[in-house]
Amino acid sequence: DTGVSQNPRHKITKRGQNVTFRCDPISEHNRLYWYRQTLGQGPEFLTYFQNEAQLEKSRLLSDRFSAERPKGSFSTLEIQRTEQGDSAMYLCASSPGLAGVSETQYFGPGTRLLVL
Amino acid sequence: RKEVEQDPGPFNVPEGATVAFNCTYSNSASQSFFWYRQDCRKEPKLLMSVYSSGNEDGRFTAQLNRASQYISLLIRDSKLSDSATYLCVVNTDKLIFGTGTRLQVFP
Repeated sequence: DTGVSQNPRHKITKRGQNVTFRCDPISEHNRLYWYRQTLGQGPEFLTYFQNEAQLEKSRLLSDRFSAERPKGSFSTLEIQRTEQGDSAMYLCASSPGLAGVSETQYFGPGTRLLVL
Repeated sequence: RKEVEQDPGPFNVPEGATVAFNCTYSNSASQSFFWYRQDCRKEPKLLMSVYSSGNEDGRFTAQLNRASQYISLLIRDSKLSDSATYLCVVNTDKLIFGTGTRLQVFP
């Protein structure tokens, strides 16, 4: 399977714990995006990378959230001191990064987080 | 006001019906437009891009009116397998999603 992959697919944690999610984009895709989706809402943009550079962060991305893409390939999203409000589906997407804003983004299956 | 607004539905239609979804967006600088489909507990998948000239893909027709900042999706001859949530998406330098319109096609 050469699509976007995300791990883990599900995560249950207790409030106050730290969690880390991983995204592997489609091979040779330069752009990688993170979104969050809560029940009944569409996905909301969190941040994106062009290669290893993090180019934009949403105001939704509080200082408890950090994302990295150290070698320009896979990315991690860490949430520190989780809160119940962090419970959501975290989606990763990638695009080639060559054709500007009109490019199609391909989504991974998501990581579903439940904070108890 | 949300950047992308859609009627959340649900739209309950019989097989074979024609159904139309509408969407409005607020950022006049938006550069590209899409409809994504999302099945329950799955990731969004691109259904089709939307162009000012209108475009069709089989039973699906998308329209864009930049002056009115309005996007539409028409599904003809609905199938049971069309049941899903349809997300209107606007691209500035990132994707902005509507809340989605849920479609349920019944036999």
